Amino acid sequence: QVQLVESGGGVVQPGRSLRLSCAASGFTFSSYDMHWVRQAPGKGLEWVAVISYDGSNKYYADSVKGRFTISRDNSKNTLYLQMTSLRAEDTAVYYCAKEKFAYDILTGYNYWGQGTLVTVSS
Amino acid sequence: DIQMTQSPSSLSASEGDRVTITCRASQGITSYLAWYQQKPGKVPKLLIYAASTLESGIPSRFSGSGSGTDFTLTISSLQPEDVATYYCQKYDSAPFTFGPGTKVDIK
Repeated sequence: QVQLVESGGGVVQPGRSLRLSCAASGFTFSSYDMHWVRQAPGKGLEWVAVISYDGSNKYYADSVKGRFTISRDNSKNTLYLQMTSLRAEDTAVYYCAKEKFAYDILTGYNYWGQGTLVTVSS
Repeated sequence: DIQMTQSPSSLSASEGDRVTITCRASQGITSYLAWYQQKPGKVPKLLIYAASTLESGIPSRFSGSGSGTDFTLTISSLQPEDVATYYCQKYDSAPFTFGPGTKVDIK
């Protein structure tokens, strides 16, 4: 069965960096575009970033562009989100999410991880 | 960037009622729209993609319609287990913006 397990969250001071990981299993990871989505406490969903199945294309929300980097290691079935220059407003649960169909066919996310909480606070 | 809005922001209806949630895009997105359900304390779940295609395993009381800029999620007969926040999301191109959500309660 498909599993997405995020890790790397925690409490970090403003301006510092953090790297999130998402370990994938139960499907051919290298065939699917992957996304990061976040949800601030008590707030709605915010799309953060996407990476194509082969890592050749990456797109970001304006709110994180230039500070966050999405990447993947298909040999390790792992998705990453490198976050730098963190701000209080980046405090959220970060979810990794898998596209329903393979090879850049975008339709929505049929699997989500359980999320990892990032708290940016001094 | 295209903005997504939803209405209402919240609603309360009786069990068995027909419930309609609207999602509007600031520019046309053809049918590149998904709907998600997020129950309290849970991970979002894909309900509908391509504006009107029901995801596998989702009850048939859920349906989606629309294209271009105006979309609708309908619950034909509201059940207690449908208490949740519902989000639309565009995916025609990045950024893949979510709507602000509609919270649905049972009276």
